[in-house]
Amino acid sequence: GQNIDQPTEMTATEGAIVQINCTYQTSGFNGLFWYQQHAGEAPTFLSYNVLDGLEEKGRFSSFLSRSKGYSYLLLKELQMKDSASYLCAAMDSNYQLIWGAGTKLIIKP
Amino acid sequence: GAVVSQHPSWVICKSGTSVKIECRSLDFQATTMFWYRQFPKQSLMLMATSNEGSKATYEQGVEKDKFLINHASLTLSTLTVTSAHPEDSSFYICSARDPMKDRVETQYFGPGTRLLVL
Repeated sequence: GQNIDQPTEMTATEGAIVQINCTYQTSGFNGLFWYQQHAGEAPTFLSYNVLDGLEEKGRFSSFLSRSKGYSYLLLKELQMKDSASYLCAAMDSNYQLIWGAGTKLIIKP
Repeated sequence: GAVVSQHPSWVICKSGTSVKIECRSLDFQATTMFWYRQFPKQSLMLMATSNEGSKATYEQGVEKDKFLINHASLTLSTLTVTSAHPEDSSFYICSARDPMKDRVETQYFGPGTRLLVL
């Protein structure tokens, strides 16, 4: 079956770095997405990886290892506004997104 | 670019009534739109894929006669919840792909519609 695993909740300190891991199993693979979702709001696109390696975009970076079925989202210089849920989603061979349950990130001062 | 709007953002209705939710791509033409439902503290659940000019493709377990989807133009898809019941209360979110973007696979989400059925 198809499955996405990510931690339910993580806590970090303002100004620090946090890494949110995601493992996936899909029928075929057409890329891995990370979305940010603040409480009561719709998701917003953060990153897309389809090739192995690290992609950096400002304070956020996303990594993919296709052979390991593994990705992580790295958030640097954490700010209070980064408190949100982070959704990992893998795209299967039919271009359907398989969504993880999301990781709730709590930032403490 | 790639802005998606939804209307209304909030709706409260009586049990048994029908509710229509609109999803619009404001600055691009979307041949494909997606409708999701999200219950509190749960992940997104894909309900259906809406293709312009053709019938929607529903996910297993989603009643197509209850959740009517119409994608009559390249910028508008509508979801009608017919004979709504309290268990239909949820956060409904649409998304769309912009075929002109470099990464056409990316879905851009509308702000969502919160439905409360009394």
